[in-house]
Amino acid sequence: EAQVTQNPRYLITVTGKKLTVTCSQNMNHEYMSWYRQDPGLGLRQIYYSMNVEVTDKGDVPEGYKVSRKEKRNFPLILESPSPNQTSLYFCASRGPGGTEAFFGQGTRLTVV
Amino acid sequence: GQQLNQSPQSMFIQEGEDVSMNCTSSSIFNTWLWYKQDPGEGPVLLIALYKAGELTSNGRLTAQFGITRKDSFLNISASIPSDVGIYFCAGFHITSGTYKYIFGTGTRLKVLA
Repeated sequence: EAQVTQNPRYLITVTGKKLTVTCSQNMNHEYMSWYRQDPGLGLRQIYYSMNVEVTDKGDVPEGYKVSRKEKRNFPLILESPSPNQTSLYFCASRGPGGTEAFFGQGTRLTVV
Repeated sequence: GQQLNQSPQSMFIQEGEDVSMNCTSSSIFNTWLWYKQDPGEGPVLLIALYKAGELTSNGRLTAQFGITRKDSFLNISASIPSDVGIYFCAGFHITSGTYKYIFGTGTRLKVLA
């Protein structure tokens, strides 16, 4: 089954404690991206990756890092989380034709 | 960052009614996409539109890519309770070699049986 898998689904952490949210896709997609979703603001792109070892900033990259060492994985790293990074995070991968067809189920992060 | 103007923000409708929502932008897009998000889930692609003027249907859903490439609408005919959810539009364009997806703020749909 074609899917994008994020882990964990829920995470509560404390300010300043480094964390990583993993994302994996099994469709051999080259393009992957991370979004955060906040009430009233919709989905905002954090980072994206066009291919292995190629990453670029989206609209709200501050406080986040990513890496793309393999095509299937695109982890999101928060080196020093802060409460304003409390949000719902989605990873997505893009199929052919420029459509972003596949989203993960989301990771709800709370930073206290 | 840029966002799309999506309206209405929310709507309550009776089962069986038709629904319309739209997105507008100050920028031109190469592709318009419509997604639905159920509670606790990620967005699922409903319809993708690739050229200006294109009208595409997917079951009871119909979407159009505006002629100016700055807007799109989604219609749902004969709504049913499982249509409940949040609907997002998204525009895609390439600028200076950068791929950009911009999402609308969503339309929350509630269907009254």
